[in-house]
Amino acid sequence: KNQVEQSPQSLIILEGKNCTLQCNYTVSPFSNLRWYKQDTGRGPVSLTIMTFSENTKSNGRYTATLDADTKQSSLHITASQLSDSASYICVVSPLSAGNNRKLIWGLGTSLAVNP
Amino acid sequence: EPEVTQTPSHQVTQMGQEVILRCVPISNHLYFYWYRQILGQKVEFLVSFYNNEISEKSEIFDDQFSVERPDGSNFTLKIRSTKLEDSAMYFCASSASVLSSYNEQFFGPGTRLTVL
Repeated sequence: KNQVEQSPQSLIILEGKNCTLQCNYTVSPFSNLRWYKQDTGRGPVSLTIMTFSENTKSNGRYTATLDADTKQSSLHITASQLSDSASYICVVSPLSAGNNRKLIWGLGTSLAVNP
Repeated sequence: EPEVTQTPSHQVTQMGQEVILRCVPISNHLYFYWYRQILGQKVEFLVSFYNNEISEKSEIFDDQFSVERPDGSNFTLKIRSTKLEDSAMYFCASSASVLSSYNEQFFGPGTRLTVL
């Protein structure tokens, strides 16, 4: 069964510190893996999208890595800010007949950045 | 910057009533989606829509659900007879194409549906 699991479930860090969030997936074959940021009560916002052939992608202070062999991805946040407090969700798009409509979602890691 | 919009932001309804959730996708996008997120749970795919027809739907999307693009700009999700378990946040999304490896989907802010 296609699944996406994330760890930790929640994380509290101090402003300015770095952190790394983990994602393990069983979706195979897959087309791409995404990391979304979701503020409470808001829609998800895309941070990075990586195809199966990409190992890393950065978006400002966010850097995602992908190991397609071990089916793991991580999201590293550097120099955290209070506005980084949100849920970070790993999402995998299965490769299905060449299309990418359906997304398989993780539960997310709830990050709280404290002053 | 273009964005997906949704109305209403919050809808409260009685069990058994019909509700229509509305979405305005990004104007040049061709693919549209509905997702839902029950409080504390994962986002779940409901349905995708292209060229005025459903292209894929999940097991959740049963006969109580329907989608429509009535006028070329709005994209609606109708729940015919709401149940308590339909209470969730409903997100609309749109994408320009599914043919690229990225197929980035842009999400609206969501409609919180509360069924009493």
